[in-house]
Amino acid sequence: DVKVTQSSRYLVKRTGEKVFLECVQDMDHENMFWYRQDPGLGLRLIYFSYDVKMKEKGDIPEGYSVSREKKERFSLILESASTNQTSMYLCASSLWGGLRTEAFFGQGTRLTVV
Amino acid sequence: SQQGEEDPQALSIQEGENATMNCSYKTSINNLQWYRQNSGRGLVHLILIRSNEREKHSGRLRVTLDTSKKSSSLLITASRAADTASYFCATAPNRDDKIIFGKGTRLHILP
Repeated sequence: DVKVTQSSRYLVKRTGEKVFLECVQDMDHENMFWYRQDPGLGLRLIYFSYDVKMKEKGDIPEGYSVSREKKERFSLILESASTNQTSMYLCASSLWGGLRTEAFFGQGTRLTVV
Repeated sequence: SQQGEEDPQALSIQEGENATMNCSYKTSINNLQWYRQNSGRGLVHLILIRSNEREKHSGRLRVTLDTSKKSSSLLITASRAADTASYFCATAPNRDDKIIFGKGTRLHILP
């Protein structure tokens, strides 16, 4: 079975801290995605990557950056955490783009910024 | 925003009844998928339908796609308590590699 693992289930950070959210997939998928999920807003795409060292902005990239140095790992970085970044963060991967194959999700990281 | 829209936002039905959710999207697509999310967890893929298909079945699920109206529907027949979850449609706008989700429909099955 494909497994997408997010490094933390719950995380509490202070305003201004640099925060790293890690995601690892074990099925050699080309595409990886970071979303945030907030009540009433659904899932919003932050960044995605279609290859190692390649990234593209999603709908809400402001305040975030990403890193994909190895195919299996996609990191989301909050350069200076703010309270409005308190949210559920979901990582996903898929073999191919364009929804030709299904996406697999991690269990989510609930981040609280205080 | 390129987000699609599901409706209704929330739906409560009695166990055993059928549940229908709809999804509208904004751009041309090759494929559309539906996902389920149990409370506080990641999403799980349910079904994929391609743009040249009009209907697809998987167990108690039936998905339809109308590309002329840019809409899709998900029907769950003979609902069960375990179907209580949020349901999302996903599209890939402009045939690129992004996957865009709607805001979801919260389905609650009453005993």
